[in-house]
Amino acid sequence: GAGVSQSPSNKVTEKGKDVELRCDPISGHTALYWYRQSLGQGLEFLIYFQGNSAPDKSGLPSDRFSAERTGGSVSTLTIQRTQQEDSAVYLCASSTRQGDYNEQFFGPGTRLTVL
Amino acid sequence: AQTVTQSQPEMSVQEAETVTLSCTYDTSESNYYLFWYKQPPSRQMILVIRQEAYKQQNATENRFSVNFQKAAKSFSLKISDSQLGDTAMYFCAFMKSYNFNKFYFGSGTKLNVKP
Repeated sequence: GAGVSQSPSNKVTEKGKDVELRCDPISGHTALYWYRQSLGQGLEFLIYFQGNSAPDKSGLPSDRFSAERTGGSVSTLTIQRTQQEDSAVYLCASSTRQGDYNEQFFGPGTRLTVL
Repeated sequence: AQTVTQSQPEMSVQEAETVTLSCTYDTSESNYYLFWYKQPPSRQMILVIRQEAYKQQNATENRFSVNFQKAAKSFSLKISDSQLGDTAMYFCAFMKSYNFNKFYFGSGTKLNVKP
């Protein structure tokens, strides 16, 4: 079956503009995660969705960042009034949720460049 | 708080030889998982190997094996018979048991396999 997909693959925007990044998880996966990977760094957790539960937004760096997950499937990460420090690769992952641990399957990411 | 440290930003190895990547972590938890992920230039994160902290036996997946030293909080990855396709960034990660949303990643080690 299809893996996690993300769009766009690359996005260049000007400082101050809003951007939307999209994630399509694997069908049937109830959990969805967003991470940010700045240049030369590991992954930084942003937000986690699980089914119909309230999302865990504890990793969002500022109120300019928000995310939605419609119908328990597709998710959109929105960054308002982008800043140069927002430049990074944004990775999405999905997993099932059964038991103690379930492997996260990652998408190819969106590389965001803020000029 | 959990921290994951990878002290080797970059390593090189000749094809067919063995290389070991280091990772240390800090936690007060007793039940957790440790992971090694591979990120090739395509940016897609791929799970290489996983270790449950309660298991004393080191995990092995084909050419990949770990040396898990719980008391020392060390989790190194050994790659045997290195192949050109192993060239990638390698990330060590930590997750508390039953805490799906909190992955903590190290800053990564770039591995170059030379022909």
